[in-house]
Amino acid sequence: NAGVTQTPKFRVLKTGQSMTLLCAQDMNHEYMYWYRQDPGMGLRLIHYSVGEGTTAKGEVPDGYNVSRLKKQNFLLGLESAAPSQTSVYFCASSYSSTADYEQYFGPGTRLTVT
Amino acid sequence: RKEVEQDPGPFNVPEGATVAFNCTYSNSASQSFFWYRQDCRKEPKLLMSVYSSGNEDGRFTAQLNRASQYISLLIRDSKLSDSATYLCVVNGQSSGSARQLTFGSGTQLTVLP
Repeated sequence: NAGVTQTPKFRVLKTGQSMTLLCAQDMNHEYMYWYRQDPGMGLRLIHYSVGEGTTAKGEVPDGYNVSRLKKQNFLLGLESAAPSQTSVYFCASSYSSTADYEQYFGPGTRLTVT
Repeated sequence: RKEVEQDPGPFNVPEGATVAFNCTYSNSASQSFFWYRQDCRKEPKLLMSVYSSGNEDGRFTAQLNRASQYISLLIRDSKLSDSATYLCVVNGQSSGSARQLTFGSGTQLTVLP
């Protein structure tokens, strides 16, 4: 039982390049989330999904797209990377949206955009 | 005003000390409250939920004051392994069918030998 995994762990992009971050969970969770974490700020929600085939915008969605084609996977795409997207990206999943359910986080992806 | 505010610290305390962290939240409609722990360069992990009646888990005690919109975490008999950043988390606005969690920026704790 791996929990939540993320690939890659590290990446350096040049401005304008694109990339996709992959998140996978093996807990059969319906809900999945993408956050970014910047120094001095709390985790901020980028996009989330309440089930296979559904996605929704979070607090800071601009510059990102997501897809949830399979229940266990949630992809985060950057179409044209900008230095402002340098951050640590965390994926999370939970059994339900009711807040009594714990969110389980992946180990993070450290992205630098130069 | 931030939705969830925490004293960033750092709090540097000796082993065995008692330390308390506070957190305030702005959304009076919030219904669920948590403390997460995040080790350096690691992912956040749930430490404990915070209930209206207060709750205790070993050396950790969490309290909620809805009237003042204030949450606290007390750690007794601090251990070196308690060194981490503690995130105050509140469920925020309902968006569609999912309630979003709002994370504080964290309070850094270092327990010194």
